[in-house]
Amino acid sequence: EEHLVESGGGLVQPGGSLRLSCAASGFNLSDHYMDWVRQAPGKGLEWVGRTRNRTNSDLIEYAASVKGRFTISRDDSKNSLYLQMNSLKIEDTAVYYCVTNDYGALEMWGQGTMVTVSS
Amino acid sequence: ETVLTQTPATLSVSLGERATLSCRASRSVRSNLAWYQQKPGQAPRLVFYGAGTRATDFPARFRGSGSGTEFTLTITSLQPEDSAVYYCQQYDYWPTYTFGQGTKLEIK
Repeated sequence: EEHLVESGGGLVQPGGSLRLSCAASGFNLSDHYMDWVRQAPGKGLEWVGRTRNRTNSDLIEYAASVKGRFTISRDDSKNSLYLQMNSLKIEDTAVYYCVTNDYGALEMWGQGTMVTVSS
Repeated sequence: ETVLTQTPATLSVSLGERATLSCRASRSVRSNLAWYQQKPGQAPRLVFYGAGTRATDFPARFRGSGSGTEFTLTITSLQPEDSAVYYCQQYDYWPTYTFGQGTKLEIK
């Protein structure tokens, strides 16, 4: 069975850092573009960033709201995706989802991991 | 940025009836629009891509239509399990995807 499992969320103070992981099982993560999407409590969905697969030069793209603070990486040998979050702000508080991106639509979602930025 | 506006914000429809959800884009996204269903405490699920191509696991009573700037998600013969928040999302303009604010569908 194919699925994604995020981990690494938690409580962090403003200005702090956190690294999220997303482990894929049942399929090769390297075959897909992979996106991060977040959802603040009680709010809608916000695209965070994307890594394209090796066929497309591993290009990485970010939303303006996180560019320069967040870094997406992948380790295909571990079949995993990562989101390094630095200089965290209160408004980064959200559930973070990793998602496969096939031809534009976001097909397979993980269960999400909660990040709370608070003093 | 391409803004997606969903109407109505909340929709309450009787069991067995039809629900019509709308999504309007601030500029043409051609047919590069997806719909997602999200139930409380769960991750979103892809319902449609390409505006009208139904994803697996969703029955034929779910129908997606539209192109350009106007899109519709129609659900006929509403069932209790259809109660959810539905989001539209454009993927015509890369790299930044945008989502609508969501429509909450309640079954009476």
